Amino acid sequence: DAKTTQPTSMDCAEGRAANLPCNHSTISGNEYVYWYRQIHSQGPQYIIHGLKNNETNEMASLIITEDRKSSTLILPHATLRDTAVYYCIVGRSGNTPLVFGKGTRLSVIA
Amino acid sequence: SAVISQKPSRDICQRGTSLTIQCQVDSQVTMMFWYRQQPGQSLTLIATANQGSEATYESGFVIDKFPISRPNLTFSTLTVSNMSPEDSSIYLCSVGVSPTEAFFGQGTRLTVV
Repeated sequence: DAKTTQPTSMDCAEGRAANLPCNHSTISGNEYVYWYRQIHSQGPQYIIHGLKNNETNEMASLIITEDRKSSTLILPHATLRDTAVYYCIVGRSGNTPLVFGKGTRLSVIA
Repeated sequence: SAVISQKPSRDICQRGTSLTIQCQVDSQVTMMFWYRQQPGQSLTLIATANQGSEATYESGFVIDKFPISRPNLTFSTLTVSNMSPEDSSIYLCSVGVSPTEAFFGQGTRLTVV
């Protein structure tokens, strides 16, 4: 599986958009980009995934560059409850194990 | 979606003893995965468990230390054997239900004293 590079930490003001970048320059054509988050040592929670196109759901938006070498997770209106470690992962499917990097620790500040 | 129940949620154990962690899923799944998360670290895959076959272990993890059972499509156990303080971690099970989404249990927080 391809590896990802994320900033170690980020701060975001409550109510503002949080933009979390991820580099995955060695991603292969059949690999998805997944985002998970882990709140205070709970089990990781699925946020969103994409292959080529931008995606949006009730939690977030995922913007993938045309060359697929990087992506950005957008939390449109961050709240204090969004404080967590966010993991960007590339992989083939939910039936193969996810390989976690170090993730980005997002702190939402009141 | 899938709901995963892990037991126990936490435990404090004496060194040299063993602890068995249970993972129950509310639907039948082919693959189950066990992870370890050491304090302040990310998740590391221990092994992949298929029903009816031996678990496949990642480099650095061995069956004698982390025996896994997978008796059916909804249940698995991970045993942490002959524990030492270095085994103090959160242990998580995970399943892939859809082709593109995985679900995780809430984890078992193990402290070895």
